[in-house]
This record gives sequence, structure tokens and C-alpha cells, in this order.
Amino acid sequence: AQSVTQLDSQVPVFEEAPVELRCNYSSSVSVYLFWYVQYPNQGLQLLLKYLSGSTLVKGINGFEAEFNKSQTSFHLRKPSVHISDTAEYFCAVSALSGGYQKVTFGTGTKLQVIP
Amino acid sequence: KAGVTQTPRYLIKTRGQQVTLSCSPISGHRSVSWYQQTPGQGLQFLFEYFSETQRNKGNFPGRFSGRQFSNSRSEMNVSTLELGDSALYLCASSLGAGTNEKLFFGSGTQLSVL
Repeated sequence: AQSVTQLDSQVPVFEEAPVELRCNYSSSVSVYLFWYVQYPNQGLQLLLKYLSGSTLVKGINGFEAEFNKSQTSFHLRKPSVHISDTAEYFCAVSALSGGYQKVTFGTGTKLQVIP
Repeated sequence: KAGVTQTPRYLIKTRGQQVTLSCSPISGHRSVSWYQQTPGQGLQFLFEYFSETQRNKGNFPGRFSGRQFSNSRSEMNVSTLELGDSALYLCASSLGAGTNEKLFFGSGTQLSVL
């Protein structure tokens, strides 16, 4: 079984300040890691993903995430946020379950950028 | 290329009724999965279909069911609706069956049960 924990349900941050959204996971098998973003009244879209290789992954809109196997974490960061980054962010893990892909999402973190 | 299309966008039902939601995946995508999204619970996995076969199922009661057609379109059915079924139901499609697959989401169907 796999699980994802996003400890922060809401994160307020001033415009142009840096932000880190935390994600921890647990799994008994190897996983792939994703961050998705959901803008108001829309579905989710992929920000970035870690499959293998370099543990620092760069995504769209200036976001990046670092995979830390020893801490089972995949925190999302942006050095300078913009008003348009206000959205809900979901961390997800994908692993084999019963021989097939199963994606498990965290409960989400609402990023509120304050002008 | 059209994205994932979910219909209807909004739905209002009363307790005890049943509802069917529809999802058309991106052309060429063979995997369709369904999620229930509620405030504070995040996305809860319902089930996933690939080539008309249900491959994975989440921890939802039997009132929740689904199917996939030969053209990969999928439907989700909820019978005997309860107030707690009010949620945004999201459908996602992906190209194949790998665990590194990127999911493409529709805008969802907002179901309100009165």
C-alpha cells in the first residue's frame, strides 16, 4: 500500500517571496512521484514528475521539486511566487498495485499568494 | 487535440436517486480513472479502466460502479445517492498502462445531492 501526506492544508505567502510545499510518502515498492496543480474551477494539470535520474526536477511555471529517498519526501519549491500561482497543489505517487498502475494523491495544499 | 471531456459539468440530485457521469478521454488514450474530490479529503481514487477492463478499485461502496466502452469512453454510476456523495468527480486519462504515465484531467462534474 502507498500513501501521501501533505501536512500543510494552506500556505499563505507574499508575492515574490519563496515558497516550499511539503510532501512525504510511504510505499513498500518503488514509486514515481508527481506534483499536480488545480486552478479554480478546473481539473488538475501536471507540474512536474520524478521518474529516475537527477533528484532535482524542474517543472513548468518556475517550480522545482527535490526527491529525497532517505526522508521519503518530494517537496515543491519556487524561489519567487506570483499572484497567478494561487491554486491548490497535489502531490501524488504512482506504483504497481495488483500488477497495474495505481496513483495515490495527497489531500492538497492551497497556496494563497498575497499581493 | 481535444482534452478530456466530462459531462455534465454540474448536476443536482436528491437522496435515493441514481446518477451517471460521462468521460471522454483524449483520443488514443486507453486508460481512464475516476476520482472523488471533497474539501479536506483531496482526491480519493474510485477505479481505473484499461481496454474495457477494471484494473483497480478504491475503497468505495458497491453503489459506485463504472464501465468503459470500446472507444475508451467511460461512465460512472452512483446508485441510491447519499448526501455525502456531494463532490467534484474527476476523470483522468492516460496513454497506456505504465506507472510513469502522466494523467490528463477533465474539468470534473460537480454533483450536489440534496
